[in-house]
Amino acid sequence: DQQVKQNSPSLSVQEGRISILNCDYTNSMFDYFLWYKKYPAEGPTFLISISSIKDKNEDGRFTVFLNKSAKHLSLHIVPSQPGDSAVYFCAASRFSAGGSNYKLTFGKGTLLTVNP
Amino acid sequence: GAGVSQSPSNKVTEKGKDVELRCDPISGHTALYWYRQSLGQGLEFLIYFQGNSAPDKSGLPSDRFSAERTGGSVSTLTIQRTQQEDSAVYLCASSQTGGGNEKLFFGSGTQLSVL
Repeated sequence: DQQVKQNSPSLSVQEGRISILNCDYTNSMFDYFLWYKKYPAEGPTFLISISSIKDKNEDGRFTVFLNKSAKHLSLHIVPSQPGDSAVYFCAASRFSAGGSNYKLTFGKGTLLTVNP
Repeated sequence: GAGVSQSPSNKVTEKGKDVELRCDPISGHTALYWYRQSLGQGLEFLIYFQGNSAPDKSGLPSDRFSAERTGGSVSTLTIQRTQQEDSAVYLCASSQTGGGNEKLFFGSGTQLSVL
């Protein structure tokens, strides 16, 4: 039972264009969402996060949008750069639940390739 | 070092052997996590340590898996009688205090291959 789904295994974009990576979740108790980026042979690194009390969070070229009613979030990268080529993981937690709110549930990842 | 350090980076073992994977978290981080990523899958939570509290072992897939954290710092994940389905990248992460809104800092992982 996959609670966080990234339905696109891969995405290819031209340099300078917008990259949009999508993520869907099924557990309505999730209230905190994160994106991690992973280069080959390295561990994932934190990119950006959003709380369920917001619908948008922006950090430089990266913006995450959250649509709670659709249980959908997306990561926008504008403009895309070749160095953004990596696997992007969407993750979710039940931050407000207390208890085991440290557990992150990850999607399978989307491989983004930005072509020069 | 400044980051999370894991060793070995690669481990090839025969089915039935025991393996130990090591994680050295960022100094001062009280929370330590183990995740694993099997081929084509997302990261799967295994275990969580927070200070001196009892660890959350709820993600360990079987009793062949165990982990300890000595002195609130270095952690060792042990897999006994390894099976082919244990083949995966085992990732360790640490964070300052634990909690669902904290940034996790991951190591580069140990690629485990069970033949």
